[in-house]
Amino acid sequence: DAGVIQSPRHEVTEMGQEVTLRCKPISGHNSLFWYRQTMMRGLELLIYFNNNVPIDDSGMPEDRFSAKMPNASFSTLKIQPSEPRDSAVYFCASGTSVATEAFFGQGTRLTVV
Amino acid sequence: RKEVEQDPGPFNVPEGATVAFNCTYSNSASQSFFWYRQDCRKEPKLLMSVYSSGNEDGRFTAQLNRASQYISLLIRDSKLSDSATYLCVVTYSGGSYIPTFGRGTSLIVHP
Repeated sequence: DAGVIQSPRHEVTEMGQEVTLRCKPISGHNSLFWYRQTMMRGLELLIYFNNNVPIDDSGMPEDRFSAKMPNASFSTLKIQPSEPRDSAVYFCASGTSVATEAFFGQGTRLTVV
Repeated sequence: RKEVEQDPGPFNVPEGATVAFNCTYSNSASQSFFWYRQDCRKEPKLLMSVYSSGNEDGRFTAQLNRASQYISLLIRDSKLSDSATYLCVVTYSGGSYIPTFGRGTSLIVHP
């Protein structure tokens, strides 16, 4: 298995532009997480899907952020419009519904200038 | 207040030293516990699970104290390759399992 696949690996965009981050979870995993990591705040959970349904989105910072999971093998995190304070590493992780480990993708390093 | 608290360090130790990291959590309904390792500019990866009876994996020992809501990681005979950030992870369940991460403790092992 190729593991969790995220794209792009790096994204540099101008303030106000739309940014879309993509994630392909591990086949057979039914839980998917989007995290954001910064030096100041560490790893923060943004949203959690179970069986493609958003269960907990209380970590989504504001209406500029949205996430979808149209099927079991694909999820997107969209920021519109982007702001410099959104600069961070965004990780996608997948797992199963029991309390086992979460497998992380390599992350997308987002820079908003 | 963050749910999972860790001393950020850095812990700067010589090769061969024994080093211990601690972690406290605030949600008493927490169900599962893990230590992850994150290398610079890489993704977090599972180091080991933490069981109530304590568990050991080579040079690494993890312990859990549910009464005190406290988790520890002990690394014996530190190697240069142990240099990384160690993340304490606690999961809670409201029907699903959601991992909550501490901010991590940085370890630097020097020659």
